[in-house]
Amino acid sequence: EDKVVQSPLSLVVHEGDTVTLNCSYEVTNFRSLLWYKQEKKAPTFLFMLTSSGIEKKSGRLSSILDKKELFSILNITATQTGDSAIYLCAVDNYGQNFVFGPGTRLSVLP
Amino acid sequence: NAGVMQNPRHLVRRRGQEARLRCSPMKGHSHVYWYRQLPEEGLKFMVYLQKENIIDESGMPKERFSAEFPKEGPSILRIQQVVRGDSAAYFCASSPTEGLANEKLFFGSGTQLSVL
Repeated sequence: EDKVVQSPLSLVVHEGDTVTLNCSYEVTNFRSLLWYKQEKKAPTFLFMLTSSGIEKKSGRLSSILDKKELFSILNITATQTGDSAIYLCAVDNYGQNFVFGPGTRLSVLP
Repeated sequence: NAGVMQNPRHLVRRRGQEARLRCSPMKGHSHVYWYRQLPEEGLKFMVYLQKENIIDESGMPKERFSAEFPKEGPSILRIQQVVRGDSAAYFCASSPTEGLANEKLFFGSGTQLSVL
């Protein structure tokens, strides 16, 4: 059965801290791995990763994929209270469906 | 260029009633996915549809739940004889066309279903 596992499930940090969120997966036909940020409403897209070892970066957020070890990490540096959200990892199972992990609930305290 | 539109935003039903959730994908998108989310949990895949076709319904309960994406009009997720356990946020997402390596999902704002 296809599955995506995320850790930790929840995390509380203070502003300015750096966090690393983990995502591991087992799917039959991997095409890409995606990270989403979910605040109160719709998940919003952060990154799509298809190749191993190539870091994607957007401001204080970065992500990298390891297709050999079947995992990805999402890093957030100098966290701000606005980073508080659920971070979802999903794997595109090659045209079948997108399998989501349970999410990591990040709380950034002032 | 409107995004994925879902309605209603909130739906309250009594046990035994029917719930109909609508989703209009982004313009040009022909693939629709429905997900369910319970509080403190991630998104659980329910069904994947293309126009007039159900591609994968492996995540949808066999009874009471059905989905369609007609040639014209929005995709509909229908829940018959709702029970309290159906209370959840239901998200719809769309993507352009199959076969492209850079596909990603675009989400609607969800429908919060509350069963009394």
